[in-house]
Amino acid sequence: QVQLVQSGAEVKKPGASVKVSCKVSGYTLTELSMHWVRQAPGKGLEWMGGFDPEDDETIYAQKLQGRLTMTEDTSTDTAYMELSSLTSEDTAVYYCATDEAGSGSYYTDWGQGTLVTVSS
Amino acid sequence: SYELTQPPSVSVSPGQTASITCSGHKLGEKYVCWYQQTPGQSPVLVIYQDTTRPSGIPERFSGSNSGNTATLTISGTQAMDEADYYCQAWDSSTAVFGGGTKLTVL
Repeated sequence: QVQLVQSGAEVKKPGASVKVSCKVSGYTLTELSMHWVRQAPGKGLEWMGGFDPEDDETIYAQKLQGRLTMTEDTSTDTAYMELSSLTSEDTAVYYCATDEAGSGSYYTDWGQGTLVTVSS
Repeated sequence: SYELTQPPSVSVSPGQTASITCSGHKLGEKYVCWYQQTPGQSPVLVIYQDTTRPSGIPERFSGSNSGNTATLTISGTQAMDEADYYCQAWDSSTAVFGGGTKLTVL
């Protein structure tokens, strides 16, 4: 069973960057296709990006390209999501998500979420 | 960009059948999955690849997908099923979520 444990809540000023981590246990990161999904307060789910195992590359939502970077440290089985040039619209709970089958197309396992608040 | 449309809310009486729809252009040609989310919790996958239930999901949850509409059906709805439900599909290497439907059991 995959377990995903995310880093704690963050408060950032507009224009800053934030980096959220997602520690994997039960599997190695190389066995999984890790994705990130966010949810603004009172709003729905928004896919941010993730690893495409078919093309062996990381894909990003078009609206976040240029500001979003997803990386992985396979030595510690930790995935990272870094978002730059933050605005108040980036205030949200950020989730890492994956599936044990490695399909990358649906998410059986989710982190507990990390609240990122952007405020001056 | 591709859009998935869900009704904002659906109400159902305990023990009855709830149906939540998700509409998108030629959605029947794509795989759809469904997530359940209760307040303050991470989403839980309840249906994937249109009709498949993950291990541990009760049999009362079922899915279908044809034409432009996918449907999540909850038979014998229980109070514990009250939650927000989201559909998700892929289009042009982008995962798309529906806007979510709040299911009220009353």
